[in-house]
Amino acid sequence: DGGITQSPKYLFRKEGQNVTLSCEQNLNHDAMYWYRQDPGQGLRLIYYSQIVNDFQKGDIAEGYSVSREKKESFPLTVTSAQKNPTAFYLCASKGDLEGEAFFGQGTRLTVV
Amino acid sequence: ELKVEQNPLFLSMQEGKNYTIYCNYSTTSDRLYWYRQDPGKSLESLFVLLSNGAVKQEGRLMASLDTKARLSTLHITAAVHDLSATYFCAVGRGSRTGGGADGLTFGKGTHLIIQP
Repeated sequence: DGGITQSPKYLFRKEGQNVTLSCEQNLNHDAMYWYRQDPGQGLRLIYYSQIVNDFQKGDIAEGYSVSREKKESFPLTVTSAQKNPTAFYLCASKGDLEGEAFFGQGTRLTVV
Repeated sequence: ELKVEQNPLFLSMQEGKNYTIYCNYSTTSDRLYWYRQDPGKSLESLFVLLSNGAVKQEGRLMASLDTKARLSTLHITAAVHDLSATYFCAVGRGSRTGGGADGLTFGKGTHLIIQP
């Protein structure tokens, strides 16, 4: 089945550690996005990529990094510079840049 | 800076009642998106409103868009418990048409509880 797969579902990070969240899609979509959701809040855009080998900062990019080496994959690294990384992270993709976005099931990251 | 404001943020209602959620946004946009989120889950697309005056209905939910007023509404008719969820509206960042090629700006969501 076509869709967006995020892994892992739950992730625990120690202070000062970098962690990478995976996002893979088999929808043949060009554009991919990473959002962060805090409890009781809407989603905020971290990074996005409209084409392979190119990506742009969103509204809250500090402390995060991404790569887009393949069309299907858009991994997000949460670095030690991100001071408050505990949140629910959602990846999305769009086939039509002016159409609706489809979301993965999310990764819940907790700092321990 | 693009702002998207929803109200109410929390709504508790009884089954069988009608209610409306409002979404105001601060920039010119020809389209608006509504999503549903169940607790601990991802977002499910409900409606894509593509132009001024657009109205879409799915079951007990109906969404409309007034681009001149920069206002969208999500109307719930004869609510049932299964509609309990958090509802988000979103508008495209950057693009004049609001399509969201540069990502979406979301409202804070309306947490809807429908009681028997």
